[in-house]
Amino acid sequence: GNSVTQMEGPVTLSEEAFLTINCTYTATGYPSLFWYVQYPGEGLQLLLKATKADDKGSNKGFEATYRKETTSFHLEKGSVQVSDSAVYFCALHQGGKLIFGQGTELSVKP
Amino acid sequence: ETGVTQSPTHLIKTRGQQVTLRCSSQSGHNTVSWYQQALGQGPQFIFQYYREEENGRGNFPPRFSGLQFPNYSSELNVNALELDDSALYLCASSLAGGLAKNIQYFGAGTRLSVL
Repeated sequence: GNSVTQMEGPVTLSEEAFLTINCTYTATGYPSLFWYVQYPGEGLQLLLKATKADDKGSNKGFEATYRKETTSFHLEKGSVQVSDSAVYFCALHQGGKLIFGQGTELSVKP
Repeated sequence: ETGVTQSPTHLIKTRGQQVTLRCSSQSGHNTVSWYQQALGQGPQFIFQYYREEENGRGNFPPRFSGLQFPNYSSELNVNALELDDSALYLCASSLAGGLAKNIQYFGAGTRLSVL
């Protein structure tokens, strides 16, 4: 069946470090792909999306490229801030529902 | 702010009780999906409602049921609560059709604790 796998956390970085959170998926067809972010005690916020192969989603300095050949959608940011500390979820959309990875906790230290 | 509101924010119940969670969707959205997020896990799809009908269901037992009203707001009902039902319940609204059809916007969730 369809599934999403994310790199295990927690990930701890210093401010201004480069961030990569790996995400790979298994799906039939060509699902839309998403990154959501969850701050402590809150719901999920859409961070970025891509709807077809080679699309690049971007928002707030975060980027992810839909790679069909490697079935991946890795999240990157060139310089993280303390305020980026949160849990990040990769998800695919198929058949009306979202299928999420297990989440990756990011902690950014000053 | 997504415009999706859920109530209550927190709830404590005991095993065997029944609970109703509520969700108001974003203005203009006609589809509501419900997810269960256990501690430390990603959200799991429970079901989706479109035009007041169930439009897809995940791997949850029948004691999880729902409703959607003409104004597109929704309820999630859980009967015979079990300890494992303790989780954050998230509602997401979306617009069926068009370029935005795959984008779901989430509320802040209802934290349910079953004792």
